[in-house]
Amino acid sequence: QVQLKESGPGLVQPSETLSLTCTVSGFSLTSYSVSWVRQPSGKGPEWMGRMWYDGDTAYNSALKSRLSISRDTSKNQVFLKMNSLQTDDTGTYYCTRDSTVMGFAYWGQGTLVTVSS
Amino acid sequence: EIVLTQSPTTIAASPGEKVTITCRASSSVSYMYWYQQKPGASPKPWIYDTSKLASGVPNRFSGSGSGTSYSLTINTMETEDAATYYCQQWSSTPHTFGAGTKLELK
Repeated sequence: QVQLKESGPGLVQPSETLSLTCTVSGFSLTSYSVSWVRQPSGKGPEWMGRMWYDGDTAYNSALKSRLSISRDTSKNQVFLKMNSLQTDDTGTYYCTRDSTVMGFAYWGQGTLVTVSS
Repeated sequence: EIVLTQSPTTIAASPGEKVTITCRASSSVSYMYWYQQKPGASPKPWIYDTSKLASGVPNRFSGSGSGTSYSLTINTMETEDAATYYCQQWSSTPHTFGAGTKLELK
């Protein structure tokens, strides 16, 4: 079955770089697109960006200058790197499998990232 | 960027009561998507293409709307429906979400 799992450090220092990994199973990254979505506690989710099935990327313009998404298809992994983190980047980060019909069709369990010194 | 405004922010309903949540878009969108989220859990796809129920969603739920105005309706509230519901648009990037409507049990 389709599964996605996020991993990465729970705590990041202000101004540092966040690196997260999304490991997927049950589908191929060359057939489906994967997005990163984050959610501050008590607030609505925010779409960050997408790794398309063909290797292209798309980013939320609000984050584009700080964000990079890449993948390793041999390991079934999608990576997120975001630099210059600030306290308002604190929240739960999810990876999702996208569907043009169903939207964000499958979600990982999420990983909580806290930006604090 | 298309801004989605949900109302109400919070609503309390008794079992058996009808509930309607609305979502207004700052520009016209082709379809609306809805997600259900319970505390400590990831959002779940709930309604897609404005009115289609995701797998496993009870048929007491329905979705409707067009253009800039959309809604999610629960025909008869049940205990398990208490959750936060988010609308989301796929028509343009960035794909945006509403701030959520928290549905509580009265």
